Amino acid sequence: DGGITQSPKYLFRKEGQNVTLSCEQNLNHDAMYWYRQDPGQGLRLIYYSQIVNDFQKGDIAEGYSVSREKKESFPLTVTSAQKNPTAFYLCASRGTYNEQFFGPGTRLTVL
Amino acid sequence: AQSVTQLDSQVPVFEEAPVELRCNYSSSVSVYLFWYVQYPNQGLQLLLKYLSGSTLVKGINGFEAEFNKSQTSFHLRKPSVHISDTAEYFCAVSGDGTASKLTFGTGTRLQVTL
Repeated sequence: DGGITQSPKYLFRKEGQNVTLSCEQNLNHDAMYWYRQDPGQGLRLIYYSQIVNDFQKGDIAEGYSVSREKKESFPLTVTSAQKNPTAFYLCASRGTYNEQFFGPGTRLTVL
Repeated sequence: AQSVTQLDSQVPVFEEAPVELRCNYSSSVSVYLFWYVQYPNQGLQLLLKYLSGSTLVKGINGFEAEFNKSQTSFHLRKPSVHISDTAEYFCAVSGDGTASKLTFGTGTRLQVTL
């Protein structure tokens, strides 16, 4: 089955720690995205990548970093500089008609 | 630039009743339009999409949407809802060019009760 996987499903972080969220796709899509979702709110774009070895900041990139070394993978690191990282994180890839396909999400909680 | 407005943040409805979730958009170019559903603690799932052609689009789970260019709307409808339709629904718009940005609305919470 083609799709997007995210791991872990739940992640706990202590103050001052960096954590990395995994996102893998086997849809052969070039573009991938990271969103943040807070309770009762919509999606906010963190970073996106149109092609391997290239990525751009979204609307709320501060405190986050990404890499895109392989087409299939687009990991997100939440750094200690992110002041309020507790949220639901969604990864997506872009299909032929600009629709995005989403993974199941990672819920990050700061202890 | 493009934008999406979902006028209703919450829509309560009784089971087996019809429902309409409203979506209006603005764009200076031709658009593709999408509706997504999100169940609690899950990712977004594509319900349906409008690319071109017939303005009435049918999707999964019995949902349909109608593209109205003159009113710049893309409202989502279902003739008879079920408890399992309780979820958050997002409308989204992109330009019709390759790699155009996808812009999401803020979502509508559909709450179905007995």
